[in-house]
Order: sequence, then structure tokens, then C-alpha cells
Amino acid sequence: ETGVTQSPTHLIKTRGQQVTLRCSSQSGHNTVSWYQQALGQGPQFIFQYYREEENGRGNFPPRFSGLQFPNYSSELNVNALELDDSALYLCASRSEGTGELFFGEGSRLTVL
Amino acid sequence: QKEVEQNSGPLSVPEGAIASLNCTYSDRGSQSFFWYRQYSGKSPELIMSIYSNGDKEDGRFTAQLNKASQYVSLLIRDSQPSDSATYLCAVPHPRRGSARQLTFGSGTQLTVLP
Repeated sequence: ETGVTQSPTHLIKTRGQQVTLRCSSQSGHNTVSWYQQALGQGPQFIFQYYREEENGRGNFPPRFSGLQFPNYSSELNVNALELDDSALYLCASRSEGTGELFFGEGSRLTVL
Repeated sequence: QKEVEQNSGPLSVPEGAIASLNCTYSDRGSQSFFWYRQYSGKSPELIMSIYSNGDKEDGRFTAQLNKASQYVSLLIRDSQPSDSATYLCAVPHPRRGSARQLTFGSGTQLTVLP
């Protein structure tokens, strides 16, 4: 139990649609990161938020966007879904003390 | 060259044997290294971190780091069927230099045979 919860756990969308994935971090963890994990691959960094501001971004197009809220929750939004967006999306919060990342169980997105 | 490379496996070992998982990284400036375990359908779980050259032991797990060779490994002694999972090597992103933004290898799938 990492204290990081994500919703929904599974969802199916069609190409061109938009999706919002949600994450609730541990209280006191001011940094949240989002990763995309395609089947058979390691997680790839999408972006990171610290105190509600984006402070790092991986090689993902602008149609991937996010928000972080004061209550330690955050969102990942993906517009204009493509088939290749099908993946497990992982939210991770960071312990300020140890720097360890705690992952949620992920949201598995299937784009048809 | 990939930033973090792992043998994709699959790797099979008999129960009780030592499983050896390897990882190489491209950025000589990397200072911290992490091993995550991921069971099928689950999220990654941190099992070891190592920051200095040499060995770090935690129970049946030993992480080994050789910065000169840009090589980090994970040994699992007395392997159990419950160790069957994908093991991911992770290194802080070289351009960002922050332990909060990790670059992962593609993982090595380990199967421990009863």
C-alpha cells in the first residue's frame, strides 16, 4: 500500500477522444509525476508537478497535459487520443524525506 | 544508445538459485540507481537503491554498482517463485539530474521455477 490511488483503473476510448486520469497522492508529498508504460516496456516520464506547477516534462506532445491541486490530487489529460496512447498510466508521488517514488496501481487505457 | 539498457530476458532460474539481473547506463554523471520490481498487472515497487560503488545488501537482495563501467546489477539469492516478476532498473534523467525524474530500462522478466 503506497498511499497513492488512481482512477479509473481501466477505461476504453476511441481514437480522437479525450481522457482525464486522476491521482491522489500521499499527504505531504508535494511532487507528483506521471509515467506512461506501454506493454513490455519500462515506464516513460511524461511530466512532473511541484506545488501545482509543472517543473519537468519528457518527450510527449502538448496534447498530454496535467494539473496538480492543493489537496495532493492531480490529473493527466490526453486530447486527440491515438492508438499508440494505449498503455498503463502511472502516477507517482515523491517522499520529501527519502526522495523515493511511490507509484499508484495505474490506469490502463485502451484506445480503439 | 539507450540511456538505460537491460537484458530483456526472459530469465529463468530454479528455486533456490541466484538470479543475476544486469543494467548499463549511458550518463557517467549519474549518482543514484534504483531497482524496481513489477508483478504482472501491478505497479513498480522500489526494492533497492544504491549510490556508492560496491555492494549493498538487503536481505536476499544485493545491488552492485560499478560507476567506472557504468554498470549496476541486482542479485537475488535463494530465489523463490514469489520473486517471479519484471525487474526495472531506473536512473535519474541525465539532462535533468533529479532523482525525481527517472529513466527506466525496459525491464528483465524473471521466472523462478519451483
